[in-house]
Amino acid sequence: EAGVVQSPRYKIIEKKQPVAFWCNPISGHNTLYWYRQNLGQGPELLIRYENEEAVDDSQLPKDRFSAERLKGVDSTLKIQPAELGDSAVYLCASSLGGVPGETQYFGPGTRLLVL
Amino acid sequence: AQSVTQPDIHITVSEGASLELRCNYSYGATPYLFWYVQSPGQGLQLLLKYFSGDTLVQGIKGFEAEFKRSQSSFNLRKPSVHWSDAAEYFCAVGGGAGKSTFGDGTTLTVKP
Repeated sequence: EAGVVQSPRYKIIEKKQPVAFWCNPISGHNTLYWYRQNLGQGPELLIRYENEEAVDDSQLPKDRFSAERLKGVDSTLKIQPAELGDSAVYLCASSLGGVPGETQYFGPGTRLLVL
Repeated sequence: AQSVTQPDIHITVSEGASLELRCNYSYGATPYLFWYVQSPGQGLQLLLKYFSGDTLVQGIKGFEAEFKRSQSSFNLRKPSVHWSDAAEYFCAVGGGAGKSTFGDGTTLTVKP
């Protein structure tokens, strides 16, 4: 069974440019997470979806970040415009159904460098 | 608010030696606790998790962790480290559905 798929794996852009990341979760997983992992730190949750509904976006910088999960399957995270401080690894994860403590399965991440 | 502290940023052990990675958490109720491993360029993989019951939890790849409520700790152990265990290890605490807070990780180097 395929794991969580993310693309692109690497992205280099100049500041003020837009960028988008794509995630396809494990088939049948209703919950999807986007995390940001800064260098030398652990992942921080940006947004969590239950099916197509964003149920926790309290940590998403809404002035420049947006996300969508149309049809409750794959998801896109966008940054517009990007800032130098957005350089990080963006991880997508999925789980079966949002049950407390259930296992999250992570994709390999997209490494973003903003110049 | 929930939080996780991993006091050791970097640990070096010799291959075949035992390993213990420390994790201290802060959480208002009984927590869900996790250990993940991340190899370079890879996502996080779950090693083990604790919800309740036996405080000694067995995981994959020969790892185990012990929950100690009195010390707010959930330390990860392995009796004999292999070179392939070199990676970054993250402890996480979770409560409500999907809400996990991660520590900043411990990088493990294995000497031949």
